[in-house]
Amino acid sequence: QSVLTQPPSVSAAPGQKVTISCSGSSSNIGNNYVSWYQQLPGTAPKLLIYDNNKRPSGIPDRFSGSKSGTSATLGITGLQTGDEADYYCETWDSSLSAGVFGGGTKLTVL
Amino acid sequence: QVQLVESGGGVVQPGRSLRLSCAASGFTFSSYVMHWVRQAPGKGLEWVAVIWSDGSKKYYADSVKGRFTISRDNSKNTLFLQMSSLKAEDTAVYYCARDMSSGWGSDYWGQGTLVTVSS
Repeated sequence: QSVLTQPPSVSAAPGQKVTISCSGSSSNIGNNYVSWYQQLPGTAPKLLIYDNNKRPSGIPDRFSGSKSGTSATLGITGLQTGDEADYYCETWDSSLSAGVFGGGTKLTVL
Repeated sequence: QVQLVESGGGVVQPGRSLRLSCAASGFTFSSYVMHWVRQAPGKGLEWVAVIWSDGSKKYYADSVKGRFTISRDNSKNTLFLQMSSLKAEDTAVYYCARDMSSGWGSDYWGQGTLVTVSS
């Protein structure tokens, strides 16, 4: 059971928009930054969003992040078949003194 | 270019020990916080441990606390994970990852090394 809760799966058609939620508590998301990762099958995770809503260089602006209270959201617009992957949120948990990941969300582009 | 290359994985019996290494290149290793993250077969990512750039602070997931030790040799640009009292549930691909120096997130990851704990 992950400390951070993500929906197991989401789906949308090519060109559409999708959002992935990540729910936590005051000891983690509520008081710390959130990052998001994309993991394609058989590959290492790739950083998409850091500090809640910043994109590393090279990440297209189709990817966005936001945070409100104890929840964070990853948004992807203009969906492409190449976006099919697992997506994970991550933050620091101040009570655990440990990093924590969400359980992951599998995105299917129909 | 930044490179992280893990090694040391393999098949080990329950209760035994194993040491993983992560060789870093292409950046000033001694300036960066480093993480270990693992992924059991078919499962999600699990954060394992973090070490400060100078090795002064270390934190662990509850699932490995007391059994795993993270360390680094900044003179050799290498990160380590010493794993002892291994259990079947430690079976996973282990990744090392570089923490961003100016934000929360890991911007570079190794390709991972598979550890299988089985008799």
